[in-house]
Amino acid sequence: GAVVSQHPSWVICKSGTSVKIECRSLDFQATTMFWYRQFPKQSLMLMATSNEGSKATYEQGVEKDKFLINHASLTLSTLTVTSAHPEDSSFYICSARGVQRQLNQPQHFGDGTRLSIL
Amino acid sequence: QQQVKQSPQSLIVQKGGISIINCAYENTAFDYFPWYQQFPGKGPALLIAIRPDVSEKKEGRFTISFNKSAKQFSLHIMDSQPGDSATYFCAASIGGTASKLTFGTGTRLQVTL
Repeated sequence: GAVVSQHPSWVICKSGTSVKIECRSLDFQATTMFWYRQFPKQSLMLMATSNEGSKATYEQGVEKDKFLINHASLTLSTLTVTSAHPEDSSFYICSARGVQRQLNQPQHFGDGTRLSIL
Repeated sequence: QQQVKQSPQSLIVQKGGISIINCAYENTAFDYFPWYQQFPGKGPALLIAIRPDVSEKKEGRFTISFNKSAKQFSLHIMDSQPGDSATYFCAASIGGTASKLTFGTGTRLQVTL
C-alpha cells in the first residue's frame, strides 16, 4: 500500500529557532500534499494545501510567513516553522494524494511529527 | 465554524459489544465521508468511507450508515475488540477522496475486557 513518511517523528528545540519537517511519499507520486496540525486530544485542523511546483494555499488564520511550505518534487513536501514559540508546539501531520489519474484514491497520512518548543 | 459535529466525545464498550459513533454535517456540498482510526502518536488511518448516493456500506466489522436528508452519518463497530481502542474521527470533503478534509472532533473509544 501507499506509504507516507514524515521526518523527524519528534523534535525538541529552543524558542526562536526554525524547524523543518519533511513529508515524503515513498511509493507513489504525490501532486498534492496536505498539512494538518493537531493539539492534544483535539481534532486535525488543515493548515495548508501544497501542490507540486506551485505556491501553497493556506487556510484562514494560518500565517504563511510563519509556516513555510515547499513542494519541490512529486515525492517531497516540507513544512518549516519559522521562529518557533511554545504555542507552536503541536503534532503536525501530512497527507498525500496521487497524480491526477488516481483521483479516486484516498489520501495517505504520515505518522506525524511531534514538535515541542521550549 | 464546526462543519462536522461528532458525538460522543468518549465511549466505553465491553468486548463483543457494538460501538456507535455519530456525525452530523452542515454543508450539503460534501460528497465524501470517510472514517479514520488514530492510535496515540500515529497518523490517522482510513477505515471506511461512503458517498451520499449510498445509505450503508459494510467492510468486515465496520459499517457506515448514511442519512442524506438528516445530514447525518454513523460508524458501527460490531464485535468490538480491545484492539479497537483508539480515537475515531469522521470527516467530510467536497470533490471526492483526494480533496481537503474537514474532520469531526473525535471520539475516544475504549473497549474493555
